[in-house]
Amino acid sequence: GAVVSQHPSWVICKSGTSVKIECRSLDFQATTMFWYRQFPKQSLMLMATSNEGSKATYEQGVEKDKFLINHASLTLSTLTVTSAHPEDSSFYICSASRAGYTGELFFGEGSRLTVL
Amino acid sequence: KQEVTQIPAALSVPEGENLVLNCSFTDSAIYNLQWFRQDPGKGLTSLLLIQSSQREQTSGRLNASLDKSSGRSTLYIAASQPGDSATYLCAGTNTGNQFYFGTGTSLTVIP
Repeated sequence: GAVVSQHPSWVICKSGTSVKIECRSLDFQATTMFWYRQFPKQSLMLMATSNEGSKATYEQGVEKDKFLINHASLTLSTLTVTSAHPEDSSFYICSASRAGYTGELFFGEGSRLTVL
Repeated sequence: KQEVTQIPAALSVPEGENLVLNCSFTDSAIYNLQWFRQDPGKGLTSLLLIQSSQREQTSGRLNASLDKSSGRSTLYIAASQPGDSATYLCAGTNTGNQFYFGTGTSLTVIP
């Protein structure tokens, strides 16, 4: 149990376009989902925290208009990178915590974004 | 702000060795602590979770402990195997849901 699925795994897009990444909890309800960004050989940087049905809370320095997060249901959160630029190229990972929070995080497989 | 340090940054050992990975937090008030494994280009796989009332957890050849007085955690891997090669990340939360991650230890187990 506790599987989190991300889609797509890989995406290549042209500069100026928008890309949507989905994060789904497959076998549990996720009241809270987190989006992270990871640069090569670095640790995870928390971008934002999203709670179902409410606006996401963004970390300092993360542009909320550039990284749109929607958590419309208890099993789905989406991250949209708007007007992507090459510096947005990165590995994006989502995680989810279960309703009835036990303190454990479950992670998706990550999405590799390359902006040309 | 919580900062997490993992030592060593990289480790290479021959197969069969026992090894210890270290993780320390600047704020020792850790509520939950979790160890993860990350393979190249992949997401994170949860290995062990030490919840607020616990001090230690074991799963197979892995044992994690947390000393809340010092804000330090160790991950012990017994009888290492080449398949253990990966990056190991620790993460802790003070309260609520926000986890702070270490920079990871890159482990290579040589056959």
